[in-house]
Amino acid sequence: AQSVSQHNHHVILSEAASLELGCNYSYGGTVNLFWYVQYPGQHLQLLLKYFSGDPLVKGIKGFEAEFIKSKFSFNLRKPSVQWSDTAEYFCAVNRGYNQGGKLIFGQGTELSVKP
Amino acid sequence: DGGITQSPKYLFRKEGQNVTLSCEQNLNHDAMYWYRQDPGQGLRLIYYSQIVNDFQKGDIAEGYSVSREKKESFPLTVTSAQKNPTAFYLCASSPRTGSEQYFGPGTRLTVT
Repeated sequence: AQSVSQHNHHVILSEAASLELGCNYSYGGTVNLFWYVQYPGQHLQLLLKYFSGDPLVKGIKGFEAEFIKSKFSFNLRKPSVQWSDTAEYFCAVNRGYNQGGKLIFGQGTELSVKP
Repeated sequence: DGGITQSPKYLFRKEGQNVTLSCEQNLNHDAMYWYRQDPGQGLRLIYYSQIVNDFQKGDIAEGYSVSREKKESFPLTVTSAQKNPTAFYLCASSPRTGSEQYFGPGTRLTVT
């Protein structure tokens, strides 16, 4: 079955630590890739997206992600986290128009940043 | 101010009752989606619509129904046939099928 897997369910970091959240997907064809963030009590927001081109994608708030096609991965990174980055992070994949643009989400990773 | 609105924020119903969740967008987006979010399971697609008067089942459509009579509106009905309806429901839209999706604030439904 088609799936998206996030490696960590809960990550706890201190402020200024570096962050890397893993995401792997199981599709073999062309995909569009996304990271979304859900801050406590807020909407799900788009952090960054990859459709094509440079596999290193920069998003909002200092986040970036690297698409590695050979590894079916799209890991999210941030060099130095802040307390305000505490949130739940979701990786998602869609297969474009022919699949109705359906997003398949990973299970989510809860990030807690200690001040 | 453009965006997606969902109402109400919290909804309580008795078992056996149908309930309709509202989703409205003023972004002029063609595609709209309904997801269900449960702890530890991410989001799962219930129904989606790529154009007015057309919609398709998602991965967990059983016990749900939708309509898309207007471009800006995509209401979701949770029927009494849905075995586990208590959840957080999120509506999303995208400018065109396959592009990024924008999410509403969600409705938390509790059925007792």
